[in-house]
Amino acid sequence: QSALTQPPSASGSPGQSVAISCTGTNNDVASYDYVSWYQQHPGKAPKLIIYEVNKRPSGVPDRFSGSKSGSTASLTVSRLQAEDEADYYCSSYAGENTVFGTGTKLTVL
Amino acid sequence: QMLLVQSGGGVVQAGRSLRLSCAASGFRFTGYGFHWVRQAPGKGLEWVADIHQDGNIRHYADSVRGRFDVSRDDSKSTLYLQINSLRAEDTAVYYCATDRRVASLDVWGPGTTVTVPS
Repeated sequence: QSALTQPPSASGSPGQSVAISCTGTNNDVASYDYVSWYQQHPGKAPKLIIYEVNKRPSGVPDRFSGSKSGSTASLTVSRLQAEDEADYYCSSYAGENTVFGTGTKLTVL
Repeated sequence: QMLLVQSGGGVVQAGRSLRLSCAASGFRFTGYGFHWVRQAPGKGLEWVADIHQDGNIRHYADSVRGRFDVSRDDSKSTLYLQINSLRAEDTAVYYCATDRRVASLDVWGPGTTVTVPS
């Protein structure tokens, strides 16, 4: 049950796009299309923004998109806005458990 | 409006037990599975356990298996996490969350803080 690997930090200017990677193994990301992404602002509970690799819950802007190739999933945030500054976590189904990523702090410059 | 209200956290001495609660409202409780996730101070999210809709299927992280027990009372629309033999490393904010798909944590509670002094 090792955590999925994410870069510790990412950044971009308003209006730009940024991609965050999430690398797993054949036991999780590579084997299941059950990758989710969560946004967490300081002191707040996480919020689901992507599920099943590339689906957005109702109310989540289409600036957020997800994809997957092999054992690596990615979250792309387009047209960056100040309120996108937050921590982002990926997660994956792994058979009999769920595993989270190490988390990425996104800074909007 | 789907709502999860959490309670039961506190400062507890190592070796003692604690039961966390997560009361649901605004949706059909029996139609959902649930997860517990924790976050140690300044750290990332750690999946702890889940329980399926029927309550018979439960899974645990290796780090808590044998000490933690997840359960649900459908008559009270409430989810529980029993934590036994508390350790300093259990200090964290504990979140409950719904799951109506597979490993997709849709709605989260506000969290409850458990502190185990070292």
